[in-house]
Amino acid sequence: DAKTTQPNSMESNEEEPVHLPCNHSTISGTDYIHWYRQLPSQGPEYVIHGLTSNVNNRMASLAIAEDRKSSTLILHRATLRDAAVYYCILKNSGGSNYKLTFGKGTLLTVNP
Amino acid sequence: NAGVTQTPKFQVLKTGQSMTLQCAQDMNHNSMYWYRQDPGMGLRLIYYSASEGTTDKGEVPNGYNVSRLNKREFSLRLESAAPSQTSVYFCASSPRTGSSNQPQHFGDGTRLSIL
Repeated sequence: DAKTTQPNSMESNEEEPVHLPCNHSTISGTDYIHWYRQLPSQGPEYVIHGLTSNVNNRMASLAIAEDRKSSTLILHRATLRDAAVYYCILKNSGGSNYKLTFGKGTLLTVNP
Repeated sequence: NAGVTQTPKFQVLKTGQSMTLQCAQDMNHNSMYWYRQDPGMGLRLIYYSASEGTTDKGEVPNGYNVSRLNKREFSLRLESAAPSQTSVYFCASSPRTGSSNQPQHFGDGTRLSIL
């Protein structure tokens, strides 16, 4: 799987929007962009994924750059429960597509 | 909405003891996975099962065995535990393996310490 780069940490205030960036300059045309998060003492939780178009679901929005070399996970109104490590992962349709390769992710701190 | 259930949640073993970690999913998924998570290492795949009746090695299979008991259950066995296997173990499932479009669903983990 191609590599992703995320900031080590970010901080936000409660009820404010949060934009979590991810760079993936070596993305291939068939790579999907997946986001997971891991709350303290819990397993990873799927958040959202997309290929080319922006995506919205009940948890978040995913904005994908036109050249697909970067993406941004948007939490519209951060809550204390959103404090977690957020992982941006590329998943392709060939080769080792059975596994998820987790990097170090971004530790999001939400201040009350 | 149980999803993926792992038992036990915590376990302490002595070096050389054996143990089986249990995992069950109720989402009718075909594929199941075992990962371990160590500080600073991210999650690493131990074994996976693309479908009932099949299992394959992941990145770090040494010291482990698995059994896909049926479609719902996928167990991980440590035959002779070593301190290097102290870790948090996560089980996951997905509808099937061969698609980049399908997310994996994780359990809450088993925290295993080997003394």
